[in-house]
Amino acid sequence: NAGVTQTPKFQVLKTGQSMTLQCAQDMNHEYMSWYRQDPGMGLRLIHYSVGAGITDQGEVPNGYNVSRSTTEDFPLRLLSAAPSQTSVYFCASSPQGNGNTIYFGEGSWLTVV
Amino acid sequence: AQSVTQLDSHVSVSEGTPVLLRCNYSSSYSPSLFWYVQHPNKGLQLLLKYTSAATLVKGINGFEAEFKKSETSFHLTKPSAHMSDAAEYFCVVSDTGRRALTFGSGTRLQVQP
Repeated sequence: NAGVTQTPKFQVLKTGQSMTLQCAQDMNHEYMSWYRQDPGMGLRLIHYSVGAGITDQGEVPNGYNVSRSTTEDFPLRLLSAAPSQTSVYFCASSPQGNGNTIYFGEGSWLTVV
Repeated sequence: AQSVTQLDSHVSVSEGTPVLLRCNYSSSYSPSLFWYVQHPNKGLQLLLKYTSAATLVKGINGFEAEFKKSETSFHLTKPSAHMSDAAEYFCVVSDTGRRALTFGSGTRLQVQP
């Protein structure tokens, strides 16, 4: 059981470039979300989805787009990368229901120069 | 709105001594609370969770936490620290509507030999 898989693990971008962070889960979870982790700030929610075709903004959505065309996949797009988007990104998924464990991918380290 | 405050950004203990990591929360609803651990350059692993059942929750690796509604606290404890416990620990509250998490800023646990 692969769980939550994120790719790439490491990426360096130039300012203004675009890229997509991929996230896939094989647990048939309805809920998926993206977080970014910055020093001393814990993890902050970027975007989330409660099911295929449904997405919404989290705490820090600016500069990021998402889509959820299938239950399994939840890609995060940076349309024009900025140095402020240098961070570690985590994808997470969970089944429906309060209190269910949320599973995290191993993270994607992104540097924008 | 919900929030989480981890009262110590850094805790240092000696191997074999007790561990106490403090967490206070604020939530408009009956919360689900979690502790996650993150080892350097790794993803997040669930230690334990509270979901309105028993107020004393036991987790993996000898950790436990007690939910105290009157104090809005969910402190993490372990009777005897091990070197492998050195990591960053996050207290987390779950938003039942969005199935998204609000993270504390983290406590870095250092274990001295």
